[in-house]
Amino acid sequence: GENVEQHPSTLSVQEGDSAVIKCTYSDSASNYFPWYKQELGKRPQLIIDIRSNVGEKKDQRIAVTLNKTAKHFSLHITETQPEDSAVYLCAASFRGGGNKLVFGAGTILRVKS
Amino acid sequence: NAGVTQTPKFQVLKTGQSMTLQCAQDMNHNSMYWYRQDPGMGLRLIYYSASEGTTDKGEVPNGYNVSRLNKREFSLRLESAAPSQTSVYFCASSFRQGALSGANVLTFGAGSRLTVL
Repeated sequence: GENVEQHPSTLSVQEGDSAVIKCTYSDSASNYFPWYKQELGKRPQLIIDIRSNVGEKKDQRIAVTLNKTAKHFSLHITETQPEDSAVYLCAASFRGGGNKLVFGAGTILRVKS
Repeated sequence: NAGVTQTPKFQVLKTGQSMTLQCAQDMNHNSMYWYRQDPGMGLRLIYYSASEGTTDKGEVPNGYNVSRLNKREFSLRLESAAPSQTSVYFCASSFRQGALSGANVLTFGAGSRLTVL
């Protein structure tokens, strides 16, 4: 069935270190993989996304990599800052129902200063 | 430009009561969604509407009904609330959905926190 697994569930890093969050998906036909950041009590907001025709995308300190063979994609945050502390949600599109998005369970990232 | 607006922001219900969550978007988006968010479970899709006039079940539709009133509005109804429906509900919209375009960027509302006693 449609499934997205996200690891780790919590991640603590020191300010300035890098953070990596990984998601795996079940549908080999999935073609769109967004990452959302959700601050405490706020709505999720898109921070970066990648489509299946590329393997990597960068936006300043944030990058996403995609391995279609292994069916996993990862979020990389470099030079972490306290304001990066939030819940990060990955998602993948599934063919059933017109490419709706299915989300992972989320990762709580804490950046310690 | 308000984006996605959902009401109410907070609601407390007793078991068995009914209520409707309202959602409206002003971005001329075609697709609209209702998700629920529970601790440790990410966002789970309840129902969605790929375009005006259509609605489909998501991952967790039991106990809910939806209405796509027009292109702008998509409501979620709980006919007989249960404590298991205590959650934060998010409405979202996207420009379109479809195999050719792939899934598109979701814009979320601010969320509605529902407590069922």
